[in-house]
Amino acid sequence: DTGVSQDPRHKITKRGQNVTFRCDPISEHNRLYWYRQTLGQGPEFLTYFQNEAQLEKSRLLSDRFSAERPKGSFSTLEIQRTEQGDSAMYLCASSLEFGGFSDTQYFGPGTRLTVL
Amino acid sequence: AQTVTQSQPEMSVQEAETVTLSCTYDTSESDYYLFWYKQPPSRQMILVIRQEAYKQQNATENRFSVNFQKAAKSFSLKISDSQLGDAAMYFCAYRSRNTGTASKLTFGTGTRLQVTL
Repeated sequence: DTGVSQDPRHKITKRGQNVTFRCDPISEHNRLYWYRQTLGQGPEFLTYFQNEAQLEKSRLLSDRFSAERPKGSFSTLEIQRTEQGDSAMYLCASSLEFGGFSDTQYFGPGTRLTVL
Repeated sequence: AQTVTQSQPEMSVQEAETVTLSCTYDTSESDYYLFWYKQPPSRQMILVIRQEAYKQQNATENRFSVNFQKAAKSFSLKISDSQLGDAAMYFCAYRSRNTGTASKLTFGTGTRLQVTL
């Protein structure tokens, strides 16, 4: 078990560019979550997947954001036409859920995005 | 919507002493989970302790224990015998036990814990 991994760890981009982040969850986990954390704040929920299905999206997730989880394994989060307000740490987490059992969410190291 | 409030932006404790971090939450649900997560500087968030709301017994994990007061909607974290490695941001988080749409964690704004010699 190697834990949740995210790539890249840091991304600097210019305003207006598109960026894509990747998250690899713990292998047996069927749920995958994306959160955004700005400086001095707690993480805020963006979206989550059960296997390959995207089940919930926050109002924070504007039309410029899109997330996928093909085949229920890794996930990507794409931000189009980045804005300076998108600068944040993007965190991925995964968990195992079945029936009435709900496991803890385990977090990756995050991708820090800086939009110039 | 659920909210989580951490009213202590910063706390300081001397090594080997005990410190308590406060957390209150607001919810209309009766069945939920509460968590404390630790986020060391430039490192990933890790789970410290978890409490199921239906359990009356307070959770403990080694030097970490909670005081869960369901009626008061309070969930404090006590760290005993503080160590330098405990220095970090601590986040209180809430999650509904409804495994449908409410899977997300709702976090407080965090408490930065400093541990001094």
